[in-house]
Amino acid sequence: AQSVTQPDIHITVSEGASLELRCNYSYGATPYLFWYVQSPGQGLQLLLKYFSGDTLVQGIKGFEAEFKRSQSSFNLRKPSVHWSDAAEYFCAVGARENQGAQKLVFGQGTRLTINP
Amino acid sequence: SQTIHQWPATLVQPVGSPLSLECTVEGTSNPNLYWYRQAAGRGLQLLFYSVGIGQISSEVPQNLSASRPQDRQFILSSKKLLLSDSGFYLCAWSVRRNSPLHFGNGTRLTVT
Repeated sequence: AQSVTQPDIHITVSEGASLELRCNYSYGATPYLFWYVQSPGQGLQLLLKYFSGDTLVQGIKGFEAEFKRSQSSFNLRKPSVHWSDAAEYFCAVGARENQGAQKLVFGQGTRLTINP
Repeated sequence: SQTIHQWPATLVQPVGSPLSLECTVEGTSNPNLYWYRQAAGRGLQLLFYSVGIGQISSEVPQNLSASRPQDRQFILSSKKLLLSDSGFYLCAWSVRRNSPLHFGNGTRLTVT
């Protein structure tokens, strides 16, 4: 079964600074990978996804992530954060051999705080 | 475009009372449907998923059940709530196996 680790529970960065959120996964083959963002009291919004092909994927709100098979990682990056980026970020992995439903496994999340 | 609706947004229920949370999807046919629970300060745990009407798969043993009486309707239920059932419940849908999940806005359940 697949698993996901987000090593950083809480990260604080200054507005305008660059951001990198870490995600490591465990899976025997190339997984499906996702990043979601959650504002307080809200559902999850998809930022970006990796299925195959180019290992650098672009998402919404200026985010990007890079799949590195050798490191089993899928880190999320943004060159310059905005105060509105403050939220909880979740990495998720899906198994390619799943038939029928896409049963995602989520990391514990990283809470991002932005200093003005 | 597709939309997903969950209600109620918040719910406070006493221990031992029944529960019914409803989720509906619009703008798509035969979606895969999911119920996740998010405990305070923790990640998401998959509770149930469904690939068709009347087809329910449970991921973890618990005090809850799910039903799918119509193609785009997914219901989470309990006959008697426990304190440990408190949490944030999220419904989601996907089109195909290799497509992302799209989430509703969630229901905050507090069992007192």
